[in-house]
Amino acid sequence: KAGVTQTPRYLIKTRGQQVTLSCSPISGHRSVSWYQQTPGQGLQFLFEYFSETQRNKGNFPGRFSGRQFSNSRSEMNVSTLELGDSALYLCASSRLPGLGVETQYFGPGTRLLVL
Amino acid sequence: GESVGLHLPTLSVQEGDNSIINCAYSNSASDYFIWYKQESGKGPQFIIDIRSNMDKRQGQRVTVLLNKTVKHLSLQIAATQPGDSAVYFCAENILYSGGGADGLTFGKGTHLIIQP
Repeated sequence: KAGVTQTPRYLIKTRGQQVTLSCSPISGHRSVSWYQQTPGQGLQFLFEYFSETQRNKGNFPGRFSGRQFSNSRSEMNVSTLELGDSALYLCASSRLPGLGVETQYFGPGTRLLVL
Repeated sequence: GESVGLHLPTLSVQEGDNSIINCAYSNSASDYFIWYKQESGKGPQFIIDIRSNMDKRQGQRVTVLLNKTVKHLSLQIAATQPGDSAVYFCAENILYSGGGADGLTFGKGTHLIIQP
């Protein structure tokens, strides 16, 4: 069974631009979560989607948004990019939402560099 | 063990020895804990989890210990191998009665280095 895939793997943008990252969960998984990983802040939860609905959201500004499609694939969007948005963006999927019930499996991440 | 700041703490062990990685969590309401392993260029990989109604849980070559009194979590790796070299993160969460949960809160990570 293929793992979580994320595209693109690497991305370079300039300040003020917007970016869309894509995540394809493991087949049969319907819950997708997004995380941001930086050297300074570590791994931080962005949001979680299940059945095309956002279930939970972390403490990030409104510039960060996401959505989930009927096939469970998810995208996240960052508008008006800032230098501090440079990070590894990780997607994780599980069959169902609710940690402790289902294990989350992470993708390899998309490394975003904002210049 | 885990610490706040820009630099990952590092643990260096001899191949074949046992490794113990420590984590101090912050939220006394947390009732679910996970250890992840992250190799260079890859996403975190689930190792083992434990709920707050347990003190110890064992997996294959790994054991997680939970001390709720002092809010301390540890990961023990038996007979450390070169493939164990990675950054290890602990993560905490609160499981609501309905089974739903907010996202995980991760520690800063510990870089485990295996000496030949």
